[in-house]
Amino acid sequence: NAGVTQTPKFRILKIGQSMTLQCTQDMNHNYMYWYRQDPGMGLKLIYYSVGAGITDKGEVPNGYNVSRSTTEDFPLRLELAAPSQTSVYFCASSLPGQGPNTEAFFGQGTRLTVV
Amino acid sequence: LAKTTQPISMDSYEGQEVNITCSHNNIATNDYITWYQQFPSQGPRFIIQGYKTKVTNEVASLFIPADRKSSTLSLPRVSLSDTAVYYCLVGGTGGFKTIFGAGTRLFVKA
Repeated sequence: NAGVTQTPKFRILKIGQSMTLQCTQDMNHNYMYWYRQDPGMGLKLIYYSVGAGITDKGEVPNGYNVSRSTTEDFPLRLELAAPSQTSVYFCASSLPGQGPNTEAFFGQGTRLTVV
Repeated sequence: LAKTTQPISMDSYEGQEVNITCSHNNIATNDYITWYQQFPSQGPRFIIQGYKTKVTNEVASLFIPADRKSSTLSLPRVSLSDTAVYYCLVGGTGGFKTIFGAGTRLFVKA
């Protein structure tokens, strides 16, 4: 039972380069989320998706793009990397609604450094 | 979305009980309260969830007063391995926006 899997675990990018952070889940969750976490800070929601083909902006979407072509996958795209995007990125998934069994499951994170 | 307020940090010693209180004055009638734990270099993980009164599992207890405007996460007999950041969320995690605040950094000392 893999849960939420993120790749890569670490990456160094040069300013202006682009990359895609991969996220896949095997729990058949409708909801998926991307967060970033700067050192010593809480998590900021970048984008979220309530199902295949449906995405929406979170708190800090600028500089990022997402797509959701399948229930399992929710990749995050950085088009023109900037030093301000140096952070740890977490992907998560959950069932919809509130109450029992709707908790979010997180991946292990991708540590990104832009130089 | 209900806004939450937690202490920024707390210190404790091994073997003590730790209580972390979260304020959520504008909680909605159908909102649940959920707590997560995050260790360094890891993603958050679910600890406990409740709607009213008291919930207990093998890790923690959650106390929610009748007005539901606050909640208290109780960790019995903490150990060094309980050093982590604890987040309080209101509104469930399946909602349209699952917002984490800064959390409470708990330091457990020997």
